[in-house]
Amino acid sequence: DTEVTQTPKHLVMGMTNKKSLKCEQHMGHRAMYWYKQKAKKPPELMFVYSYEKLSINESVPSRFSPECPNSSLLNLHLHALQPEDSALYLCASSQEGGLIYEQYFGPGTRLTVT
Amino acid sequence: AQSVTQLGSHVSVSEGALVLLRCNYSSSVPPYLFWYVQYPNQGLQLLLKYTTGATLVKGINGFEAEFKKSETSFHLTKPSAHMSDAAEYFCAVSDSAYSGGGADGLTFGKGTHLIIQP
Repeated sequence: DTEVTQTPKHLVMGMTNKKSLKCEQHMGHRAMYWYKQKAKKPPELMFVYSYEKLSINESVPSRFSPECPNSSLLNLHLHALQPEDSALYLCASSQEGGLIYEQYFGPGTRLTVT
Repeated sequence: AQSVTQLGSHVSVSEGALVLLRCNYSSSVPPYLFWYVQYPNQGLQLLLKYTTGATLVKGINGFEAEFKKSETSFHLTKPSAHMSDAAEYFCAVSDSAYSGGGADGLTFGKGTHLIIQP
């Protein structure tokens, strides 16, 4: 099973709302990632968790707050977002966090901020 | 930081023709390279990867890529295009230059949109 699941598939939220994106994998992977993808652009790395610890935060604004409750779950908490935060948010996982391991991506959550 | 450059934001081929998508990398150390495909409104699917060993890498759906160190290239090919191959293709490199260390993210090229003409 090489599946990464993400919920919800679509999310519309106002700038004052608080919402969360959820990602789950059952492949026993120990590294999990959040990427942001704007329309017609490549994905951009936001956060990396390795062994449930945040190891990379690519200067993401504090209105995005990641959480890794256990090795299978990854959340992205959203608060006071801006319209420019509208994008496809992709979760990925890999066996380990090293260079050599390929990442498996979920289908993404399409976020619209109004 | 390492980077990849994809030549051609759009490539159009006829069904049954050869597909060639170009990717060049910039790296001071041996790179780990990947090709991903993204269908509309979906996530990314791994086509193939190069880490070490054989320079000709075979992937899913009939795709293959050849790592050429002398040319710093990792071009993706498929002998005969199918309508279902129409999608966005991303070349990516594992980059250890991200802040924090401990794990690594992917740096993607800008993508190539593959169009298949009937």
